[in-house]
Amino acid sequence: SQTIHQWPATLVQPVGSPLSLECTVEGTSNPNLYWYRQAAGRGLQLLFYSVGIGQISSEVPQNLSASRPQDRQFILSSKKLLLSDSGFYLCAWSKLAGGSYNEQFFGPGTRLTVL
Amino acid sequence: AQTVTQSQPEMSVQEAETVTLSCTYDTSESDYYLFWYKQPPSRQMILVIRQEAYKQQNATENRFSVNFQKAAKSFSLKISDSQLGDAAMYFCAYRTWNTGNQFYFGTGTSLTVIP
Repeated sequence: SQTIHQWPATLVQPVGSPLSLECTVEGTSNPNLYWYRQAAGRGLQLLFYSVGIGQISSEVPQNLSASRPQDRQFILSSKKLLLSDSGFYLCAWSKLAGGSYNEQFFGPGTRLTVL
Repeated sequence: AQTVTQSQPEMSVQEAETVTLSCTYDTSESDYYLFWYKQPPSRQMILVIRQEAYKQQNATENRFSVNFQKAAKSFSLKISDSQLGDAAMYFCAYRTWNTGNQFYFGTGTSLTVIP
């Protein structure tokens, strides 16, 4: 069965510090990978998605970047965090549309607080 | 661009009663997927139910069912015999069939279950 991992679960960082959030998927190959941010009590904001190694699409210009160094690994980074980067970050994966599974599967999320 | 609208930011239901959450979407596509996700206080996103647009029959999963009206571009979720554990944020989501690498989410409906 497929599983998705995210770490860390919780992170408190000072303004101006770097960030690295990691997401890995097990039990599938060639997944589409996604990073979302969610403010408290709000909806999901798509940040990045990737259809393959080294292929990253950015949806929102911001202080963040994403990389996909391996097929099932997706990393969210920042060189210098801003207060506005605080939020709940969700990683998700899906297969190509038209197959047996067409939904997104989500990780447990990372709660980031920038002070 | 596809948009998903959830016009009810908050809803409440008495335990054991039935509640319907509304969702409308805008698309020019004829084939697509629709989903309802549940996000409890733990913030783990859980798939509740899925519907393929080419299927006329409404999807059902135990106490959860949908009313899919393709012409009206409406996809409502009905929860029967509501339980305390149903209290959560519910998100409606859309995915295209052919180039379905992106998912479009509504802003969510917060459901409270009253004992």
